[in-house]
Amino acid sequence: QQPVQSPQAVILREGEDAVINCSSSKALYSVHWYRQKHGEAPVFLMILLKGGEQKGHDKISASFNEKKQQSSLYLTASQLSYSGTYFCGTEVNAGNNRKLIWGLGTSLAVNP
Amino acid sequence: DGGITQSPKYLFRKEGQNVTLSCEQNLNHDAMYWYRQDPGQGLRLIYYSQIVNDFQKGDIAEGYSVSREKKESFPLTVTSAQKNPTAFYLCASRQGFGLGELFFGEGSRLTVL
Repeated sequence: QQPVQSPQAVILREGEDAVINCSSSKALYSVHWYRQKHGEAPVFLMILLKGGEQKGHDKISASFNEKKQQSSLYLTASQLSYSGTYFCGTEVNAGNNRKLIWGLGTSLAVNP
Repeated sequence: DGGITQSPKYLFRKEGQNVTLSCEQNLNHDAMYWYRQDPGQGLRLIYYSQIVNDFQKGDIAEGYSVSREKKESFPLTVTSAQKNPTAFYLCASRQGFGLGELFFGEGSRLTVL
């Protein structure tokens, strides 16, 4: 039930675009996106709730396809600071509670 | 500033010793979590707590224990029963269970010698 992230790793030159995908086999309540730099805490990027809403944060945006249980993170005109590992967390209903399950991450390196 | 504080940042332990990792938040959040992170394995849930004096096992609770005596504090004890405790441990909190984003602490890196 762990979401699958693709690609596992990507290398960009500054200014290039990238898409990171997160796919689940379970019905999702929400999808979380975080970025983590080595040895640091994950930093929140955005949450998408079911309803197919697309959100944006500066040049980073994301979409959520509820029917396909997929979310995509779009990084536009990448900057050096975008380097890190991107995790998606998928929130599913678990009995009377909700459970947040994390993907294995996508490593992104932005080079000058 | 509100946030989550974890301590210590680095910890070395001899085999057979219990260690306790501290996690304190001043965000007035009800829900708190402990995750373990190993290279290539993402975040795995150890324990979580939705309210004071209540906590639940996560996916990898064996060899760990927690307490939630105060809303702002959620310490994790790594016991000698944990077979492979060397890892990066992250504490997180959230407004309520299933509500909003998680706020993470800076992490504690435990190394067993």
